Amino acid sequence: SYELTQPPSVSVSPGQTASITCSGDKLGDTYVCWYQQKPGQSPVLVIYQDSKRPSGIPERFSGSNSGNTATLTISGTQAMDAADYYCQAWDSNTVVFGGGTKLTVL
Amino acid sequence: EVQLVESGGGLVQPGGSLRVSCAASGFTFSHYEMNWVRQAPGRGLEWVSYISTSGSTIYYADSVKGRFTFSRDNAKNSLYLQMNSLRAEDTAVYYCARRREGFDIWGQGTMVTVSS
Repeated sequence: SYELTQPPSVSVSPGQTASITCSGDKLGDTYVCWYQQKPGQSPVLVIYQDSKRPSGIPERFSGSNSGNTATLTISGTQAMDAADYYCQAWDSNTVVFGGGTKLTVL
Repeated sequence: EVQLVESGGGLVQPGGSLRVSCAASGFTFSHYEMNWVRQAPGRGLEWVSYISTSGSTIYYADSVKGRFTFSRDNAKNSLYLQMNSLRAEDTAVYYCARRREGFDIWGQGTMVTVSS
């Protein structure tokens, strides 16, 4: 079965740029989405089709996808961005989520 | 307001059955593909199942195939997940999610606990 691999944790200082990677075989050949989940809350879509932002998502969130790696980038990271982030892709007729990355802002 | 509201969660014994539901409002439900996603306590997101707009096409994760049945009633703007032969590892919060470009709308989730 297809797997997406994310680092368990990423730390960033406020105002700096955070990058969260998601790796999978030939991942660049398919679209990737990213979700943000804060404790006790439902996930929120922050990036779809590799790099597009839904309405209401701040411009500091951006995405890219090429080769075997997709990347979520948060520029000028704020304390409110601390959360778990999950990548997601479709593989045949199934949906695959990455294991999640805990973003710490300190 | 666009909204998904899950219900029906609870405590069930191993081997038992439970049906969870998801009520949609604020959008044309029949136009959207829908999914169930679950999250075990302290764990990540796990996709469970997908259903097409008409309900004619359904996909399942291998972990639930043959035990869970996903259905929808477009007249009632509702989704249903019938869960049979439940196991301890099915314990999770179950979310319904609308698929547009990604899963753009999620419910608040309903907790299912499988324990004796």
